[in-house]
Amino acid sequence: SAVISQKPSRDICQRGTSLTIQCQVDSQVTMMFWYRQQPGQSLTLIATANQGSEATYESGFVIDKFPISRPNLTFSTLTVSNMSPEDSSIYLCSVEASPGGVTASTEAFFGQGTRLTVV
Amino acid sequence: LAKTTQPISMDSYEGQEVNITCSHNNIATNDYITWYQQFPSQGPRFIIQGYKTKVTNEVASLFIPADRKSSTLSLPRVSLSDTAVYYCLVGDGDDYKLSFGAGTTVTVRA
Repeated sequence: SAVISQKPSRDICQRGTSLTIQCQVDSQVTMMFWYRQQPGQSLTLIATANQGSEATYESGFVIDKFPISRPNLTFSTLTVSNMSPEDSSIYLCSVEASPGGVTASTEAFFGQGTRLTVV
Repeated sequence: LAKTTQPISMDSYEGQEVNITCSHNNIATNDYITWYQQFPSQGPRFIIQGYKTKVTNEVASLFIPADRKSSTLSLPRVSLSDTAVYYCLVGDGDDYKLSFGAGTTVTVRA
């Protein structure tokens, strides 16, 4: 298993500002994922972050709004830029359970999430 | 990824068995069926995964019929702490992306 630590666990931010969320994993992983969970909703994948390359964003998410860094195999950051109240959500970091596994797997580990409130 | 359909909510009482059925009519040959549990203010947690027939672990059982177009997560003798949202996911995990549906909110009452 992997232990994922996210910082901050929660924050209240003013609109127009930016917040950087950190994700630290206790083991080296190839792929890290960032999800958003809006209040009362399910999880939506924002982007996939691979070390040494630019993040791959899902439809509806752009790099200017959600820049991502992946400086090494155990760490990633997600920045929520120029925030508005609509960005109030829980942001979750995730890693695959079987990096480079032989068999197909949809098992993953998630951090506790960062609860962001924009006022 | 194959689309899944599961009930929005289910209510149960302590000590009962809870069965949540997920429909995935368009499941592909290489797809696995995976269930996650999410408590309030926490990230999802992997519960169980299967490909066909029955899988059992210390937390739950997963029943998958021969046609694999549905699956049933069985939680034996639930307690109040099993109150959570349960997500059914289907995919081959080839790109490790997870597609979450609406999930089933299970409420266990005393």
